Amino acid sequence: AQSVTQLGSHVSVSEGALVLLRCNYSSSVPPYLFWYVQYPNQGLQLLLKYTTGATLVKGINGFEAEFKKSETSFHLTKPSAHMSDAAEYFCAVTRNTGTASKLTFGTGTRLQVTL
Amino acid sequence: KAGVTQTPRYLIKTRGQQVTLSCSPISGHRSVSWYQQTPGQGLQFLFEYFSETQRNKGNFPGRFSGRQFSNSRSEMNVSTLELGDSALYLCASSFTSGGAVGELFFGEGSRLTVL
Repeated sequence: AQSVTQLGSHVSVSEGALVLLRCNYSSSVPPYLFWYVQYPNQGLQLLLKYTTGATLVKGINGFEAEFKKSETSFHLTKPSAHMSDAAEYFCAVTRNTGTASKLTFGTGTRLQVTL
Repeated sequence: KAGVTQTPRYLIKTRGQQVTLSCSPISGHRSVSWYQQTPGQGLQFLFEYFSETQRNKGNFPGRFSGRQFSNSRSEMNVSTLELGDSALYLCASSFTSGGAVGELFFGEGSRLTVL
């Protein structure tokens, strides 16, 4: 079974500050990991994904995440927060055994950006 | 290219009724997945259809069913509605084949309220 844990249901940062959203996973097989963002009254949009290869993954809107197998982590970062980054962020995991669309999501982290 | 379209966007039903939600995937996408999003349980996988066949199923009761048509459009049905079925139902499409891990493209969801 696979699972993800997102530490912190709410994170507040000042505009221009570093954004760090934490995600730890549990998987018995090599995981595929994703970060999605959800704006109010909208669906989810993929920020970035890790499947194989380079462990530092760059995504859209200046976000990036690093896959650390030894720490079972896939934390999301952005050097400088913008007001438009305020949204809910979900970490998700799956594995490549024909369950490509069966993602297991974390509980989400709501990011607030203040002036 | 049009995105994933879900209809209706909002609907209100009463306990015991049934509901059908529709999802039109991105043109060329053959995989359609459904997720339920609630404040208490978060995002949970319902099922996935690929080429008119249910490929994966989550842990939901038999009241939840779905189907996919030859044009890849999908419907999900919930019978004998319960208060706990109130949720945002998200559809996602993907160009996955053979279990390859692809990006999920989500619609804006259908928000169901059961009274």
